[in-house]
Amino acid sequence: AQSVAQPEDQVNVAEGNPLTVKCTYSVSGNPYLFWYVQYPNRGLQFLLKYITGDNLVKGSYGFEAEFNKSQTSFHLKKPSALVSDSALYFCAVRPPFSGGYNKLIFGAGTRLAVHP
Amino acid sequence: EAQVTQNPRYLITVTGKKLTVTCSQNMNHEYMSWYRQDPGLGLRQIYYSMNVEVTDKGDVPEGYKVSRKEKRNFPLILESPSPNQTSLYFCASSPTFDTGELFFGEGSRLTVL
Repeated sequence: AQSVAQPEDQVNVAEGNPLTVKCTYSVSGNPYLFWYVQYPNRGLQFLLKYITGDNLVKGSYGFEAEFNKSQTSFHLKKPSALVSDSALYFCAVRPPFSGGYNKLIFGAGTRLAVHP
Repeated sequence: EAQVTQNPRYLITVTGKKLTVTCSQNMNHEYMSWYRQDPGLGLRQIYYSMNVEVTDKGDVPEGYKVSRKEKRNFPLILESPSPNQTSLYFCASSPTFDTGELFFGEGSRLTVL
């Protein structure tokens, strides 16, 4: 079955330190990969995506993500965390055409807490 | 302002009382979809619509209906709500679905007693 795993329910990091939020996926073929962020009482907002090309993609608010095909991972990173980055982060994949391409498959989410 | 608007944002209802959650987008998007968000499960797709002529089930369609009579609106209908439909619901849209980038509404929190 196609799935997305975010192994950490919560990630705690001090402001100014680098952060990583992990994501692995189990989807056949070459899916599109996404990160979304959800602030309290708000809808999800698109952060970045990987379709093809350079394994390191840059997105909004200084976030970037590294695609690793052999490990089927797409970890979200930021060199220096801000308190305002505290939110719920979702990894998502869009299966290739033959595998149900009309939806995004979401992970369960990882809560990022950045402490002053 | 480009946005996806859902109503109501909060609703408490009782088992069996039909309700509709409206969704409207002002971006002329072809693709629209409904998701439900539950703790520990992430978001799961209920229904989607590629355009006004194509609507289909997602992963968890049981107990829900949708309609797409015009491009901008995609209401979610619960004919006979049950407590297991207590959830946070999101409507999303996209110009097409080729890139997979979705624009989300702010959510509708539904409680069924």
